Amino acid sequence: AQSVTQLDSHVSVSEGTPVLLRCNYSSSYSPSLFWYVQHPNKGLQLLLKYTSAATLVKGINGFEAEFKKSETSFHLTKPSAHMSDAAEYFCVVSERKTSYDKVIFGPGTSLSVIP
Amino acid sequence: NAGVTQTPKFQVLKTGQSMTLQCAQDMNHEYMSWYRQDPGMGLRLIHYSVGAGITDQGEVPNGYNVSRSTTEDFPLRLLSAAPSQTSVYFCASSYGGQGNEKLFFGSGTQLSVL
Repeated sequence: AQSVTQLDSHVSVSEGTPVLLRCNYSSSYSPSLFWYVQHPNKGLQLLLKYTSAATLVKGINGFEAEFKKSETSFHLTKPSAHMSDAAEYFCVVSERKTSYDKVIFGPGTSLSVIP
Repeated sequence: NAGVTQTPKFQVLKTGQSMTLQCAQDMNHEYMSWYRQDPGMGLRLIHYSVGAGITDQGEVPNGYNVSRSTTEDFPLRLLSAAPSQTSVYFCASSYGGQGNEKLFFGSGTQLSVL
C-alpha cells in the first residue's frame, strides 16, 4: 500500500534562511511524486512534480526537490525563505493501481517565516 | 475558462440529512477526485474516477457515494450526514486518466454537520 509521511507538522525559519520540508513515501511501484502549496484561505497550487525523469526537480518560486529512491524520500528545499512562502505544504504520491492511478496526500507541513 | 467549479461554498446540515456537493470541470479532464481536508490530516481521498462510468474508492469512502455519468460532472453525495463529516471538501481533476498529471482544484466546500 502506498503512503506518505511528512516528518514535520510545523517548520519555522527566518526570512532569508534555507527551507527544508521532509517527505518520505512508501510505494510498491514506481510512483509519481508532487509537492503542492496551500496559502491561507486559498486553493492548492502545484509547486513541482517528479515522474521518473531527472531526480532533481525544479519548481516554481525557487523551490526544488530531490527524488532519492534508496531513501524513499522527496524532500522540498529552497535556498532562501521569503515571507510569502508561509503556507501549508503537501507531499503527494501517485501510484498505479491495476489500470488506474491513486493519488494520496501527506498530512501537510505548516511553514512559518519569521521576519 | 472556469476550470473546476464547486458548489456550494458553504453548507450547514443537520445530522441525518442528505445532500449533494456539485463538481464540474470544463477542461475535458478524464481524472476527477474528491478529497476532504481536516486539521492535521492533510487531504484524504474519498472517491475518484478515471472516466465516465468508472469510479473507485479512496481512503475514506464510507458515508459517501459518487457517480460519473458525464466527463464534466462528478457529484459527491452524503447519504445521511454525521458530525464526523464536518470538513472542507475539495474536488480536483487532471488531464487524461492518469494520476501523474497536475491536479486542478476547486475552491472548496466548507460543510458543517450539527
